Amino acid sequence: QKEVEQDPGPLSVPEGAIVSLNCTYSNSAFQYFMWYRQYSRKGPELLMYTYSSGNKEDGRFTAQVDKSSKYISLFIRDSQPSDSATYLCAMSANGNQFYFGTGTSLTVIP
Amino acid sequence: GAVVSQHPSRVICKSGTSVKIECRSLDFQATTMFWYRQFPKQSLMLMATSNEGSKATYEQGVEKDKFLINHASLTLSTLTVTSAHPEDSSFYICSAKAGQGSYEQYFGPGTRLTVT
Repeated sequence: QKEVEQDPGPLSVPEGAIVSLNCTYSNSAFQYFMWYRQYSRKGPELLMYTYSSGNKEDGRFTAQVDKSSKYISLFIRDSQPSDSATYLCAMSANGNQFYFGTGTSLTVIP
Repeated sequence: GAVVSQHPSRVICKSGTSVKIECRSLDFQATTMFWYRQFPKQSLMLMATSNEGSKATYEQGVEKDKFLINHASLTLSTLTVTSAHPEDSSFYICSAKAGQGSYEQYFGPGTRLTVT
């Protein structure tokens, strides 16, 4: 079983839709959770990071962590064509070794 | 957010030659830097972790003699692909993490290596 599972998509939504991106994991020791956005042929950009369980909101983005279910989510409200990218989840138990999901490809259609 | 640069952004070299890629943290000191490789439409594959002033830790299956990593200062790490072959063609991305207590990784823009 992989440490981190992420549906690769592709996911296609109309502009303005709410997008839900998810990852599951198997290691209960993970306590640092991150979401990255990667445009084609570019390096990943850190979007959100959370420690332990709970929600974190930043503008149109909300990150949720449910440690009891080993499930994390990223919600994008009022999605825009510029949100079209690949979204990678990442997590770590100690802040030194990181495990990445395979990424979900998102297209927001104008 | 913190800025990490990579140079060059794109390089084409002939088979058998060596290529050096630089990774710099521009506005923070990076005690740890990571080197990744990414194939088209695939996730990041960690190659090695380097801590400033010490030898890099390579992931299983990554040849340390082929992929030489040097982390000589708190703002610079280099990856040298020695005797490059066409199968080494890939997108190489570095990331940097600040000191203890920091867990966020900041990625460079990547280097596209093509070996002909």
